[in-house]
Amino acid sequence: EPEVTQTPSHQVTQMGQEVILRCVPISNHLYFYWYRQILGQKVEFLVSFYNNEISEKSEIFDDQFSVERPDGSNFTLKIRSTKLEDSAMYFCASNEQGIPYNSPLHFGNGTRLTVT
Amino acid sequence: DAKTTQPNSMESNEEEPVHLPCNHSTISGTDYIHWYRQLPSQGPEYVIHGLTSNVNNRMASLAIAEDRKSSTLILHRATLRDAAVYYCILSFQGAQKLVFGQGTRLTINP
Repeated sequence: EPEVTQTPSHQVTQMGQEVILRCVPISNHLYFYWYRQILGQKVEFLVSFYNNEISEKSEIFDDQFSVERPDGSNFTLKIRSTKLEDSAMYFCASNEQGIPYNSPLHFGNGTRLTVT
Repeated sequence: DAKTTQPNSMESNEEEPVHLPCNHSTISGTDYIHWYRQLPSQGPEYVIHGLTSNVNNRMASLAIAEDRKSSTLILHRATLRDAAVYYCILSFQGAQKLVFGQGTRLTINP
């Protein structure tokens, strides 16, 4: 069964550094998402992306965050200047039909970001 | 957005059925009911979704009350691998995201 893959599985970075988290969505999916989960807390929506544009973003997704689909297969989340509070699991997801109204989101197993 | 209410935790025994409840008294007529689960150290995983009628798939069954104000996820024969946090989520027409709550932490005893 096709799956969403994320790399790296764990990234450690120093405060103030830029990080790029990478995702390869399922190949025929056109709609992409980033979520994050701080340890012990809820899974939080960050951003949805379609046709090279952000469809919706949360309050968490401020100017420090950006997303890109640099080629036909990758979907990336960049954090420009990491803060301690950015430490979390970051999950990428994709969806075939777009809005997850009545079709499943497929999630990757996440990248654990540790900011020191 | 319509809200859901789930018990914080539940416990069951291996090879027994599990009924996970979800209340959504403010659900709108076109809101879908989704269930996802999150196994330890993994991303959320789609389980099932439905609108009005009961739904079955290889993982579980979804029983939706006639008034749609509640639903129950049924795992017919729990295994240790079913130990996870289960999320009941409503999605409204036009939504660009799913909003996760705290979910129900299901423990399966051997």
